[in-house]
Amino acid sequence: EAGVVQSPRYKIIEKKQPVAFWCNPISGHNTLYWYRQNLGQGPELLIRYENEEAVDDSQLPKDRFSAERLKGVDSTLKIQPAELGDSAVYLCASSGLAANNEQFFGPGTRLTVL
Amino acid sequence: QKEVEQNSGPLSVPEGAIASLNCTYSDRGSQSFFWYRQYSGKSPELIMFIYSNGDKEDGRFTAQLNKASQYVSLLIRDSQPSDSATYLCAVVMDSSYKLIFGSGTRLLVRP
Repeated sequence: EAGVVQSPRYKIIEKKQPVAFWCNPISGHNTLYWYRQNLGQGPELLIRYENEEAVDDSQLPKDRFSAERLKGVDSTLKIQPAELGDSAVYLCASSGLAANNEQFFGPGTRLTVL
Repeated sequence: QKEVEQNSGPLSVPEGAIASLNCTYSDRGSQSFFWYRQYSGKSPELIMFIYSNGDKEDGRFTAQLNKASQYVSLLIRDSQPSDSATYLCAVVMDSSYKLIFGSGTRLLVRP
């Protein structure tokens, strides 16, 4: 079974530039999550999708961040414009119908904003 | 007060010893508790979950939960150098789905 796929793995941009991250969840997983992980910290949820619906985006900085999951499968997270403080690893995770709601994480995208 | 607290470590143990990792949480209504392992530069992977008070064993790993004390721990028996990683405690708060992570404890197993 293929895992969660993310691209790119690494991205270096200058501040004020836009950037986008892509995620393809595990086949059949209806729930998709975007997390941000700063160095030395645990992941923090940005947004959760149930199919194509964003059911929790309370932690998403909506002035510069946006996300979409148009067909309820893959998803894109965008930052425009990027700021220095956005440097972090952006993790995508998905979960299915397992009773423990186990979330499977992708390899992440390491963003560096110069 | 952070919602999920862990000692950042590093916790250093010799190979073959028992490593004990601890986590406290603030929401008394929390129902589900998870331990993730994260190797440097990699993404978190689930190693244990526990819902009920007491112990849950899986191979060399034992998760312990005490809801009255709002405390969850992970014991790793016969620690191996390959266990060296950051261990993240995560808690589902109350009736929500939302997973709240601690900052992680870095474990170093010395050969």
